[in-house]
Order: sequence, then structure tokens, then C-alpha cells
Amino acid sequence: EIVLTQSPGTLSLSPGDRATLSCRASQSISSSYLAWYQQKPGQAPRLLIQAASSRATGIPDRFSGSGSGTDFTLTISRLEPEDFAVYYCQHYGSSPPFYTFGPGTKVDIK
Amino acid sequence: QVQLVQSGAEVKKPGASVKLSCRTSGFNFANYYMHWVRQAPGQGLEWLGLLNPSNGNTWFAQRFQGRVTMTSDTSTSTLYMELSGLRSEDTAVYYCARMERPGTFVHWGQGSLVTVSS
Repeated sequence: EIVLTQSPGTLSLSPGDRATLSCRASQSISSSYLAWYQQKPGQAPRLLIQAASSRATGIPDRFSGSGSGTDFTLTISRLEPEDFAVYYCQHYGSSPPFYTFGPGTKVDIK
Repeated sequence: QVQLVQSGAEVKKPGASVKLSCRTSGFNFANYYMHWVRQAPGQGLEWLGLLNPSNGNTWFAQRFQGRVTMTSDTSTSTLYMELSGLRSEDTAVYYCARMERPGTFVHWGQGSLVTVSS
């Protein structure tokens, strides 16, 4: 079973800062099956990035994803006030189907 | 537009069962795998399992096998999830979600809070 680890647990930044969030898998995974979500309090998660680097529909281009193998990164180039939230990475395994989420990184206002 | 509307909050005693529903509209229900994901208070996301509405096939996270049942009614495009043997650790918001290829979730229900307390 693949385990996802995210770091840091909390990232304290200011609007306009660059945010770099890490997601590490316990073994090499296909980048086709690595996604990133944003979640705000009281809301369902929102898909940001699929296949490690492809922005979902309607996601601003300040969000970007990269990585391969075991190390993946979500970058927010310039934080907007609405970007302060919790971010989760997610992996999909197909045989048998299994979906794993990382523990999340909270981006809060410094 | 795609909508997933879940049933309301539930309060259950330890050992009881809970059955949640997720009524969908705006798409062909039979064409999409449907999932349940939960989130304990202040915690992260945890996948419970999925159902293929076209044939009723299910897959569950190993830790829930034997305790979770997922069914659907294609005539009403509704998904159901029943969790038995409830314990306090099952207190969480339970979400239904529609799976897109490849294995991501764009459309989610609003969540159903299940509280397990004696």
C-alpha cells in the first residue's frame, strides 16, 4: 500500500509570496495518477491538478504541479487571499482500485 | 449541471449502523464510478470505497471491508453507503464524489455529518 507524506504540515506565508508544497510517495508511482486538491473550511475538496502537472478546468495558472517517481510538488506562484487553505495530494492505484490521500499541508496567513 | 445532494446529519450510538444517500443529477449515473470519502473533525481525507452503478461492482478500502456496503438505485440515480459497527472514530463528514478519469474527483456532494456518541 502506497503512503503519501506531505511537508511541511503548515506553511505560514503572506499574500504575494510563493508557496511550495511537497508530496512524497512511499514507492515510485505513475505521475498520471497523482492529483492535488484544495480544501477550505466547511467545503468539499476542489481538484486543482491532475496527472501531476495538468491544471483542472478553471484553475488559475498561478497553480502548477511537477514531479515524478516519489517526489511531487505543488507551487502557487503568488498567493492570493483566497489561496489560504489546506492542500492534499492524492494517488490512485488500479490493481485493485485504491485511493490514497496525503495528510495535507495547511497554508495560513503569516 | 452535475449535482450530488447528500442526506442529512445523523447521530448514532456505538455499535449501530448508518445509511447515507447521495442523489445525483445532471449526468448519466451509470457511466461514472461513484465514491465515498470521509473526513474526521480536523483531520484529512480518507477513501472508503467505490461503486460502479452500471453493474453494482464495489471495491472497498481494506480497513472498511466487512463493515461497509455500497449500493445504488439507477432508476433514481442515487448512491447509498451503509457503515455498520459504528464507533466514535467513525465520527466524520462523509462525502460522495464522482470519479473522473484518471481517478480524480471534480464533483462532490455537500457532505453528511455522522456523529457517533453514547
